[in-house]
Amino acid sequence: DAGVIQSPRHEVTEMGQEVTLRCKPISGHNSLFWYRQTMMRGLELLIYFNNNVPIDDSGMPEDRFSAKMPNASFSTLKIQPSEPRDSAVYFCASSLRSGTTSSTGELFFGEGSRLTVL
Amino acid sequence: AQKVTQAQTEISVVEKEDVTLDCVYETRDTTYYLFWYKQPPSGELVFLIRRNSFDEQNEISGRYSWNFQKSTSSFNFTITASQVVDSAVYFCALSEAERASYDKVIFGPGTSLSVIP
Repeated sequence: DAGVIQSPRHEVTEMGQEVTLRCKPISGHNSLFWYRQTMMRGLELLIYFNNNVPIDDSGMPEDRFSAKMPNASFSTLKIQPSEPRDSAVYFCASSLRSGTTSSTGELFFGEGSRLTVL
Repeated sequence: AQKVTQAQTEISVVEKEDVTLDCVYETRDTTYYLFWYKQPPSGELVFLIRRNSFDEQNEISGRYSWNFQKSTSSFNFTITASQVVDSAVYFCALSEAERASYDKVIFGPGTSLSVIP
């Protein structure tokens, strides 16, 4: 089975440009997470979706960041305009939360998208 | 608010030594989940274990073992007879299950383990 697929794997852009990161979760998973990893701040949860609905976006740094999940098999994280401090590895993860009980399953991570903003 | 602390930033051990990675968590919920993930130098995040708050039994998987103690809010991870391939950053994580924000998985800062041959 295919795992979580992220694209692009690497992105180098100039300050002010728009960046779009993409994620395809594992088929059948109903929760999707976007994390950002930096040396200074570690792994930060930016936003997560359940059944395509954003549940908590309190980790999104500012209005320059936005995330969408138009269907169960695709999500995007957009940064507009990008700044050098956005340079990081962005991970997407998906999981299966079971039924009506609160049961957080294992997170399956993609390989990450390494973003460098010059 | 949920919080995970991994006080050991970096640890170095000589191959075949045992090593314990500490994890202390904070939560107001009685139902929650704890996780350990491994991030080798290649960068991917690899799931190691998931434990719910009602299961305090220690777990052993090969050279890996986990000690969950609710009394001290700790979920420590021990590697027995460490190997060079164990060199990685290890993350402890917490998910609360009783609030509207359940499924919110928060990671600790990680412990970088170096196993020296």
